[in-house]
Amino acid sequence: AQTVTQSQPEMSVQEAETVTLSCTYDTSESDYYLFWYKQPPSRQMILVIRQEAYKQQNATENRFSVNFQKAAKSFSLKISDSQLGDAAMYFCAYRSNTGNQFYFGTGTSLTVIP
Amino acid sequence: DAGITQSPRHKVTETGTPVTLRCHQTENHRYMYWYRQDPGHGLRLIHYSYGVKDTDKGEVSDGYSVSRSKTEDFLLTLESATSSQTSVYFCAISEGHLNTIYFGEGSWLTVV
Repeated sequence: AQTVTQSQPEMSVQEAETVTLSCTYDTSESDYYLFWYKQPPSRQMILVIRQEAYKQQNATENRFSVNFQKAAKSFSLKISDSQLGDAAMYFCAYRSNTGNQFYFGTGTSLTVIP
Repeated sequence: DAGITQSPRHKVTETGTPVTLRCHQTENHRYMYWYRQDPGHGLRLIHYSYGVKDTDKGEVSDGYSVSRSKTEDFLLTLESATSSQTSVYFCAISEGHLNTIYFGEGSWLTVV
């Protein structure tokens, strides 16, 4: 099984500021997919952003962007102009290109301070 | 909306009783999954299915069984519930051409 590590159990950010959530993964594969999911208090799992490993360009979705460092096996999520609605648990996930299993980190709980 | 419905959404059951959770999808996705979510552990895969009657174990499959007799339904059964199986259970489907996983709303199970 692949290992996905989120080393920050909790993070906080001031409203309108920028925060970066860290994720590292362990794999011997060269082609795979990486994801960030958001889980608000409702517990609904919401896809935030997705990155294909073969693409060098970092994915961006509005205020959310990633810093994908393939050699370092690092996949961090940057949230710009943080809003109160960004408060949630964030999960990093990995999927191999050869299989259909998805592996998740343990999550980072983000608090947004007004 | 990936068209995933989980039932029941909330259940309290007694230790030793069997419990079945149902996942229903409306869009004929091939891959279906059952995860459990616990504090400090994130989401852990219990079982998954890659087609009708085709299932395989995940990392925490002990004490659980699954069945998929129709494309749209994936059942998770706790043969004899234990307190360690108190958790939030998520069903998910995989969109093949997008290589993305989508989740249902979760089922809260409490074993007393």
